[in-house]
Amino acid sequence: EIVLTQSPATLSLSPGARATLSCRASQSVSFYLAWHQQKPGQAPRLLIYDSSHRATGVPDRFSGSGSGTEFTLTISSLEPEDFAIYYCQVRADSFTFGPGTKVEIK
Amino acid sequence: QVQLQESGPGLVKPSGTLSLTCAVFGGSIRSDNWWSWVRQSPGTGLEWIGEIYHSGNHNYNPSLKSRVTMSVDKSNNQFSLKLTSVTAADTAVYYCARVLGRYYVDSWGQGTLVSVSS
Repeated sequence: EIVLTQSPATLSLSPGARATLSCRASQSVSFYLAWHQQKPGQAPRLLIYDSSHRATGVPDRFSGSGSGTEFTLTISSLEPEDFAIYYCQVRADSFTFGPGTKVEIK
Repeated sequence: QVQLQESGPGLVKPSGTLSLTCAVFGGSIRSDNWWSWVRQSPGTGLEWIGEIYHSGNHNYNPSLKSRVTMSVDKSNNQFSLKLTSVTAADTAVYYCARVLGRYYVDSWGQGTLVSVSS
C-alpha cells in the first residue's frame, strides 16, 4: 500500500502570496498523481491529474510538478477562493489520499 | 458535464446495513468509466471504498472488502453501495464519484452524511 505524506499540515499566507504544497509517496508512482481541493461543506474537486495537467476549468495560477515520489502543487498568487484544504491522491491497488494541507488566511 | 447525486438513510443502527444510491446525470453509466465510492470522516480522512464498472466488475478496498457490495442499475442510470455490520467507525460523509481513466477520482457528488447510532 502506498502512503502519502503532505507538508506542511497548515500554510498561513496572505492573498496574493505564492503557495507551495508538497506531497511525498512511499514508493514511486511515476507521474500518476492528482491534487484535489476541498472547501468547507463541499465535496473535493479535482484540480490536477498526471502530476501537471489541469482539470477542466481550473485557473492557470494552479500548477503541478514532480514525478516518482516527490510532487508539488503551486498556487502562483492566492485568490480569496483558494483558501481550502488540498489533498494529493494516487492509485495502486487502491486509491489513496494524503492527509491534506490546509491553506489558511494569515 | 456529468453530475452525481447520493441518496439514502442518514441514520443506521449499529450492526445494521448502510445502503446508498448514486444517480448519474448528464452522462451514461454505460460509458467507459468506472464509478466509485469514497468516504470522509475526521478520524480517517478520505478513504476509498471501492469501484464498479457497468458490466458489474468491481474492486474493493481490502480493508472493507468483507463488508462491501456494489451494484449497477443500468435502467435507472445509477449505482449503489451496501456496507454491512456497521459500527460508529463507519460514521462519515459518503461520496460517489466517477473515475477518470484508471487513476483518478473526478466528478464528485455533493456527499451525504451517514451516522451510525442507536
